[in-house]
Amino acid sequence: GESVGLHLPTLSVQEGDNSIINCAYSNSASDYFIWYKQESGKGPQFIIDIRSNMDKRQGQRVTVLLNKTVKHLSLQIAATQPGDSAVYFCAENIIGQGGKLIFGQGTELSVKP
Amino acid sequence: GAGVSQTPSNKVTEKGKYVELRCDPISGHTALYWYRQSLGQGPEFLIYFQGTGAADDSGLPNDRFFAVRPEGSVSTLKIQRTERGDSAVYLCASSYQGQAYNEQFFGPGTRLTVL
Repeated sequence: GESVGLHLPTLSVQEGDNSIINCAYSNSASDYFIWYKQESGKGPQFIIDIRSNMDKRQGQRVTVLLNKTVKHLSLQIAATQPGDSAVYFCAENIIGQGGKLIFGQGTELSVKP
Repeated sequence: GAGVSQTPSNKVTEKGKYVELRCDPISGHTALYWYRQSLGQGPEFLIYFQGTGAADDSGLPNDRFFAVRPEGSVSTLKIQRTERGDSAVYLCASSYQGQAYNEQFFGPGTRLTVL
């Protein structure tokens, strides 16, 4: 029969609030990290990236924080809008493995107007 | 400009049949990646090409899966003797080069359903 998919962690926020999405990555040898946004029926879309020699990087309304000590990555979205509703994935690239990406489970962000 | 395109968008097949999924990368991108995404999970790496050659095929689950990119542009993912567990969305991505720090641009995926 059909397998049941995993239930994604869900974050529900009010429009205009800030959102924080967290991700624990798996490999100490990872040196490049990317956040992707995926809307229903579409492929993942690049949001922001960070290299392991940085601990913070800012984009337009988004900030990524990297804590290599505890292998933790976070995505902060300022002034969250309904159009931000989607599933967000972190992905890591392990040094020496070319462009191969390892994705985390994902978090579903729901923005209430 | 045109992004990554994948055909078909949906494919329904019966257990045991053979399927081919096609990916057209962004023009000029030398690297092409295939990922598989099951319901409620993140994409899972299958294989990537640098030019015509498979640089890393460590993610292919078994020998029923095979991919080609004969002219360094379009790629085809081939699945023999499909099983119900192969049902998933198959995503293709391309990047300018097959190295880290090169943004991967994803296509919309092909949803494969094996009955």
